[in-house]
Amino acid sequence: QKEVEQDPGPLSVPEGAIVSLNCTYSNSAFQYFMWYRQYSRKGPELLMYTYSSGNKEDGRFTAQVDKSSKYISLFIRDSQPSDSATYLCAMSAHDSWGKLQFGAGTQVVVTP
Amino acid sequence: DVKVTQSSRYLVKRTGEKVFLECVQDMDHENMFWYRQDPGLGLRLIYFSYDVKMKEKGDIPEGYSVSREKKERFSLILESASTNQTSMYLCASSLGVVLGGGARETQYFGPGTRLLVL
Repeated sequence: QKEVEQDPGPLSVPEGAIVSLNCTYSNSAFQYFMWYRQYSRKGPELLMYTYSSGNKEDGRFTAQVDKSSKYISLFIRDSQPSDSATYLCAMSAHDSWGKLQFGAGTQVVVTP
Repeated sequence: DVKVTQSSRYLVKRTGEKVFLECVQDMDHENMFWYRQDPGLGLRLIYFSYDVKMKEKGDIPEGYSVSREKKERFSLILESASTNQTSMYLCASSLGVVLGGGARETQYFGPGTRLLVL
C-alpha cells in the first residue's frame, strides 16, 4: 500500500464550480503538507503549504488538513479553464531530510 | 522567486550512451532532488543531496548516478542509457534543515527534461 493515496481522476467540472481534491495518508509522522499544480509538459509548481492541522486560504484556493483522519483536501472556488491541470499532494515528516511523499496526482478538467 | 533551471527541455539519445542532465538553482538551497515522472507511476525519487558532495539514494537509483560539486548544481548521470529510462526527469530544490522552519520542506521544481532513448 502506498503511503499517500490520491485518486487520479480525471475530474471534469463546469466553469465556476467548486473543485474538491483530496489525499489520504498512512504515516502519522507527516507534518508538512503541500499541493502542487502541474500543467501538461511542465514542472510542478507549489500552490499551497500547510503545517500540521487546520485550514489555509489563498485567493480561490483553500487547503485543509485533518491529521486525526489522515486526510487532506484542496478546494478551488469559481474554477476557471486555466485551472485545468494535474494536482499533486505531497507531504513529509520532520525527520525526513526534506524528502517528500507524493500522491499520484489528480487530473482536473474545467470545461467552459 | 526561486528559479530552478534544467539544461535541456528535450533530449534524444541512443541506447548505451552516457547521458548528463544538469540542474541549477539560484536560491542557495541546501537540498536538491532528481525525480522521474511516468504516466500512472507518478513522481519517483532517484537521488537527492543535502549538501555539496553528499548524495543519498532515493527509491529507484539503479542505472543512475549523481554529482554535486557546487551547492547550486546537481547533475544526474545515466551511465549507459536504456530504453526503459525514457521518461520526464524533474529536478527540485528545497531550503533544507538550516534556519527558518516554515516552508523549508517545500520543493521548487525545474521545467523538466523529456528524455527519449532509442
